[in-house]
Amino acid sequence: DTAVSQTPKYLVTQMGNDKSIKCEQNLGHDTMYWYKQDSKKFLKIMFSYNNKELIINETVPNRFSPKSPDKAHLNLHINSLELGDSAVYFCASSPNLPNTGELFFGEGSRLTVL
Amino acid sequence: AQKVTQAQTEISVVEKEDVTLDCVYETRDTTYYLFWYKQPPSGELVFLIRRNSFDEQNEISGRYSWNFQKSTSSFNFTITASQVVDSAVYFCALSEGRDDKIIFGKGTRLHILP
Repeated sequence: DTAVSQTPKYLVTQMGNDKSIKCEQNLGHDTMYWYKQDSKKFLKIMFSYNNKELIINETVPNRFSPKSPDKAHLNLHINSLELGDSAVYFCASSPNLPNTGELFFGEGSRLTVL
Repeated sequence: AQKVTQAQTEISVVEKEDVTLDCVYETRDTTYYLFWYKQPPSGELVFLIRRNSFDEQNEISGRYSWNFQKSTSSFNFTITASQVVDSAVYFCALSEGRDDKIIFGKGTRLHILP
């Protein structure tokens, strides 16, 4: 069983569209994250949720809206996609808050905006 | 503010050579955590090690070793007798104990040449 799973793994779409990426973890962790990795491999935190509550929002445009229906799921919805949104988006979870433990990453979702 | 610097953008070594990846961090906290992650060409992010600020003991795990020196704010990673499978991007990361986010350095791309 995959511990942190993301869907879809690949997403190609046109500028201006709205898209969602889903993430689920079966590790029983309380904290989940979204990270963005750009073409230069730079990993940057976007959001963090603890037990469905938003605790980190790192100056991400309002077009990005995370949603956590329960502590095992953290979805990312992106409105009005722009070329600069092209990246690999990683979901992660961790067992601790504050975070003293390792992050368990999903396999990433590669978003390409044309 | 916390910051992680990996000054080496890219390193190439011949198989069986030893290689050290540098990591320098900045934090005002006395309690913090340091991490190394590996991202092989397949794209997943793999946790390698966590070290807390109160434990300066060096660690060895097989061909991998880590040197944590608070005096120089460094947490360097050495691979002994490198192998082609070690080729990857390696990320150093920092988390302050009171904060629920892990901040990543920009990564070092390591090429092990056969």
